[in-house]
Amino acid sequence: SQQGEEDPQALSIQEGENATMNCSYKTSINNLQWYRQNSGRGLVHLILIRSNEREKHSGRLRVTLDTSKKSSSLLITASRAADTASYFCATDRGSTLGRLYFGRGTQLTVWP
Amino acid sequence: DAGVIQSPRHEVTEMGQEVTLRCKPISGHDYLFWYRQTMMRGLELLIYFNNNVPIDDSGMPEDRFSAKMPNASFSTLKIQPSEPRDSAVYFCASSLTGNRLDYGYTFGSGTRLTVV
Repeated sequence: SQQGEEDPQALSIQEGENATMNCSYKTSINNLQWYRQNSGRGLVHLILIRSNEREKHSGRLRVTLDTSKKSSSLLITASRAADTASYFCATDRGSTLGRLYFGRGTQLTVWP
Repeated sequence: DAGVIQSPRHEVTEMGQEVTLRCKPISGHDYLFWYRQTMMRGLELLIYFNNNVPIDDSGMPEDRFSAKMPNASFSTLKIQPSEPRDSAVYFCASSLTGNRLDYGYTFGSGTRLTVV
C-alpha cells in the first residue's frame, strides 16, 4: 500500500506563481524524500529531509516537515513551465532496511 | 557515470511470451530496486537487492515473475509467461546505503512493456 498521500492530485498554475504540494503519511519515519517525474522519464530525487529537521531548502525548493502531524509540504517558488511534472513523496516507514514507500503523486502543470 | 541503464526502453510482446528486462545500476551502489508503475496502482516495489542478495520479494505479483542479480553490475526481471495485465512501465533504481543518504535513489528511464 502507498505510504505517502500527496495532495492535491493535480495542480495547475501560471509561470511565476508558487506551487505547494502536500504529503501525509501514517507511520514514524527516519526521513522523507521528494522526487520529480517528467512525462515518460524515471523519477529524479529532489530533496531529503530527516525526521529531526523542520525545514530544508534547495534552490527554488522549500520542504517542510511536521512529524507531529505526519505531514510534509514541497514549495516551488517562481515556477517555470519546465517544472511541469509529477511530484512524489516517499518515506522509509521508520525502517533502515533501505526501501522507500511512494505516494501516488501530484501532477503539476505550469502554464507559460 | 551514465546513471542507471535499463534495456530495452520499449517492449511489445504477445501474451504467453517470455520477457526479460535488464538493468545496470550505478557503480558502487549496493541497493537495487525494481518498481512497476501503472495509472491504476501507482509505483509498486516488486523486489529489491542489497549486495546482490534479494531482501524482499513480497511485491512480486506471482510466480510468473522472477528477478536475479548475478553480480553488482547487472540485474534482470523476467516475466514468463507474460499477460496483458503485466503491461506497465518497469523501473530499476539503485542507491548507496538504501534510503539514508541525501541523494536518495537514482532511477533508470524505465522499460515500457506492452503485452498484447
